[in-house]
Amino acid sequence: KAGVTQTPRYLIKTRGQQVTLSCSPISGHRSVSWYQQTPGQGLQFLFEYFSETQRNKGNFPGRFSGRQFSNSRSEMNVSTLELGDSALYLCASSSRTGGDTEAFFGQGTRLTVV
Amino acid sequence: AQSVTQLDSQVPVFEEAPVELRCNYSSSVSVYLFWYVQYPNQGLQLLLKYLSGSTLVESINGFEAEFNKSQTSFHLRKPSVHISDTAEYFCAVTPSGFQKLVFGTGTRLLVSP
Repeated sequence: KAGVTQTPRYLIKTRGQQVTLSCSPISGHRSVSWYQQTPGQGLQFLFEYFSETQRNKGNFPGRFSGRQFSNSRSEMNVSTLELGDSALYLCASSSRTGGDTEAFFGQGTRLTVV
Repeated sequence: AQSVTQLDSQVPVFEEAPVELRCNYSSSVSVYLFWYVQYPNQGLQLLLKYLSGSTLVESINGFEAEFNKSQTSFHLRKPSVHISDTAEYFCAVTPSGFQKLVFGTGTRLLVSP
C-alpha cells in the first residue's frame, strides 16, 4: 500500500508570492490533516479535512487555506508569503476522523521563503 | 485547550543504556496520547499510543510508555537503546473525537557508542 505522498518535496518562493502544496493520502483514507513544523514554534496543527469538509482549524491567519477533493487528495495554499512561513509542512491521513485512528504522515514539503 | 510539555530538549545516552523521555500534558477534556518519532528529513512515524485500557503500552521495537492519569504523564522508556534509536521523539495528545494532534516541543535522543 502506498504511503502518504506530498509534492513537491522542496520549494523556494519569494515574499509576497503564493504557493500550493499537494497531499495524496493512503488509498481509502478520508481524513487529511496539515501541520507546520518550524524550529521556533514546533509542530502546529493547521487544519483537517474529512469528506471534502473542513472539520477543524488551527490558529493560523486566513492566508493559510486548504481544500479536499472527492478522491480525498488535499491541497494547502498559502497566499502573500512571509519569511516566517518557511517551514516543513506535513500532511497526515487517517481512515476516519476521530483521534483514535492512527495518523500516517508524509515526508513533508520544505518551503523556503526568500 | 490541550498542551504538552517535554522538559528535556536533548537526552544523550550510551548504547545499551536505559532511557526515559518525559512527557506531561494538560487538558480539560479526555484525550488520547501518542509518541511519534522523526528521523532526519523524514515525516513522523507513530511509535505507540494510549487510547484506553491497560495503562502500559508497548511498541514493536522495545519502547514502552505508561499513562499516569493522576500525574498527567505519559513517559517513554526503553531498557536498552541502540544507535539506530537516535532521532527526535514527540509526545502528542488529541481530544477524543477529533483528529487534531497537539505536539510537545520534542526530545532529541542522541545514542553514542
